[in-house]
Amino acid sequence: EAGVAQSPRYKIIEKRQSVAFWCNPISGHATLYWYQQILGQGPKLLIQFQNNGVVDDSQLPKDRFSAERLKGVDSTLKIQPAKLEDSAVYLCASSLGVGGGSTDTQYFGPGTRLTVL
Amino acid sequence: DQQVKQNSPSLSVQEGRISILNCDYTNSMFDYFLWYKKYPAEGPTFLISISSIKDKNEDGRFTVFLNKSAKHLSLHIVPSQPGDSAVYFCAATVDSGGYQKVTFGTGTKLQVIP
Repeated sequence: EAGVAQSPRYKIIEKRQSVAFWCNPISGHATLYWYQQILGQGPKLLIQFQNNGVVDDSQLPKDRFSAERLKGVDSTLKIQPAKLEDSAVYLCASSLGVGGGSTDTQYFGPGTRLTVL
Repeated sequence: DQQVKQNSPSLSVQEGRISILNCDYTNSMFDYFLWYKKYPAEGPTFLISISSIKDKNEDGRFTVFLNKSAKHLSLHIVPSQPGDSAVYFCAATVDSGGYQKVTFGTGTKLQVIP
């Protein structure tokens, strides 16, 4: 079974530029998550999709971040414009279920390391 | 508001001995707890979980203990192996009206010394 794919793996941009990340979850997984992990901290949930609908985006800085999940499968996360404090690893994860318990075990991609100069 | 806390940023243990990683939480509504392991340049991988109605769950060398009255859980690794060296995150979920909202701790870096 293929895992969660993310691209690019690394990205370096200047502040005020735009950047986009792509995620392909495990086939058949209903829920997709985007996390931001700043060095020395735990993953912070940015947005959670169930199929192609958003169920939680309470921690997404909506003035600069946007995300979509196309046809309930692939997803893109965009930052426009980027700030220095956006430097982090952006993790995508997916889970099979929506109801909690063991079906919500999340499978993570390798992440995209973003550096904003 | 950090609802899930891992107060030890790092831990060193001799190979063959027990590793104990701790996690404290503040939200009594959390209903499921998970541990993830993360190697450098990789995403976290699921290790073991426990429901809030249990107090212990065991899987091979890994055991998770939950003390609800103290709002504390711990991960025991026995015996510890060099390949266990990684960052360990605890996470907790709560039913938020049709979906599970997950919160991660800040992580503990475990080093197992051969």
